[in-house]
Amino acid sequence: ETGVTQTPRHLVMGMTNKKSLKCEQHLGHNAMYWYKQSAKKPLELMFVYNFKEQTENNSVPSRFSPECPNSSHLFLHLHTLQPEDSALYLCASSQEPGLAGEEGETQYFGPGTRLLVL
Amino acid sequence: AQSVSQHNHHVILSEAASLELGCNYSYGGTVNLFWYVQYPGQHLQLLLKYFSGDPLVKGIKGFEAEFIKSKFSFNLRKPSVQWSDTAEYFCAVNAGSFQKLVFGTGTRLLVSP
Repeated sequence: ETGVTQTPRHLVMGMTNKKSLKCEQHLGHNAMYWYKQSAKKPLELMFVYNFKEQTENNSVPSRFSPECPNSSHLFLHLHTLQPEDSALYLCASSQEPGLAGEEGETQYFGPGTRLLVL
Repeated sequence: AQSVSQHNHHVILSEAASLELGCNYSYGGTVNLFWYVQYPGQHLQLLLKYFSGDPLVKGIKGFEAEFIKSKFSFNLRKPSVQWSDTAEYFCAVNAGSFQKLVFGTGTRLLVSP
């Protein structure tokens, strides 16, 4: 049982569609992350949010647009994606280290959304 | 730039065999090190982590890892694997910036009964 949930678990979309991925954490954390997991490549950090504020954008194309309305929810809005964007998108959360020390730096992952762009 | 190398992409073992998965990182300063596991159809789960103290870290399900600073390594070990250990294993490092986890490409382990 994971404290981080993601919906949908699978998504197929055309290149002209607009869709959103949702992540919710039930761990009382203050930091949330989006990662991309492509075949045969390491997990790539996309975005980091601390206390709802974006603190990291790892050179992600603007067709990916994150939103963090509160510390428990994180969205990834998708529009005009390309077939090479097909991947597993993982959400993670962690405490903020100033509050929790070592535990603050451990990230907990959701099950992911498997995205196929046609 | 920081990087993490996992030398074995695929490992096949029989049950009861011993396991060692290699992980090397490139960063000269203080590091925090992690091993995550992803069972088929499941989410990434934390196996163990090293922040400081005893370089031999014990994790869940009988796994352990040893941090050898001089070798920039954090190898994962298990003395006797089980069929249920079939999964993909990821080594990760955060260094310099605590929120930037850098992952290796993963090692797929298949344990045959």
